[in-house]
Amino acid sequence: EAQVTQNPRYLITVTGKKLTVTCSQNMNHEYMSWYRQDPGLGLRQIYYSMNVEVTDKGDVPEGYKVSRKEKRNFPLILESPSPNQTSLYFCASSGQGAPRETQYFGPGTRLLVL
Amino acid sequence: GNSVTQMEGPVTLSEEAFLTINCTYTATGYPSLFWYVQYPGEGLQLLLKATKADDKGSNKGFEATYRKETTSFHLEKGSVQVSDSAVYFCALLSGAGSYQLTFGKGTKLSVIP
Repeated sequence: EAQVTQNPRYLITVTGKKLTVTCSQNMNHEYMSWYRQDPGLGLRQIYYSMNVEVTDKGDVPEGYKVSRKEKRNFPLILESPSPNQTSLYFCASSGQGAPRETQYFGPGTRLLVL
Repeated sequence: GNSVTQMEGPVTLSEEAFLTINCTYTATGYPSLFWYVQYPGEGLQLLLKATKADDKGSNKGFEATYRKETTSFHLEKGSVQVSDSAVYFCALLSGAGSYQLTFGKGTKLSVIP
């Protein structure tokens, strides 16, 4: 089944404790992206990657890092989380076999930073 | 820059009522336009899309027409069901080769029996 998976789905952590949210897709897509969703703000793009070893900032990259060492994986790293990063995070992918207009979203990761 | 403005919710309708969710956009060039739907506890799913002016996207009884003259892409459904309760996002994709979606803030729809 074609899908985008994220782990963990729920995470509670404390300020300053490094964490990684994983994202994996099985569709051989070149493009992957991370969004955060906040009430009243909709979805805002954090980082995106056009292919392996190619990443770029989205609209709200501060406090986040990403890496793209393999085509299928695109982890989101919070080196020193802060409470304002409490949010719902979505990974998305698109590319080979799908027009760029069709993006596939993961189920989301709800993060609470205390 | 690109932006999407959609009507604020929440919107509450009775079953079988007519639905309209307004969406207008600002973009350079000729963007592609989308409606995504997010059911409770799930990720976003593409509901429908239109890639050029006057195109009509449709799916599951929902429709939206790409109106370049009014820079709009309003979502409509003639008869909503309880199962349509969700958050709806209007989005655009602009620029040749770009994969970066710009989303509106979302409109929460609740349909009551």
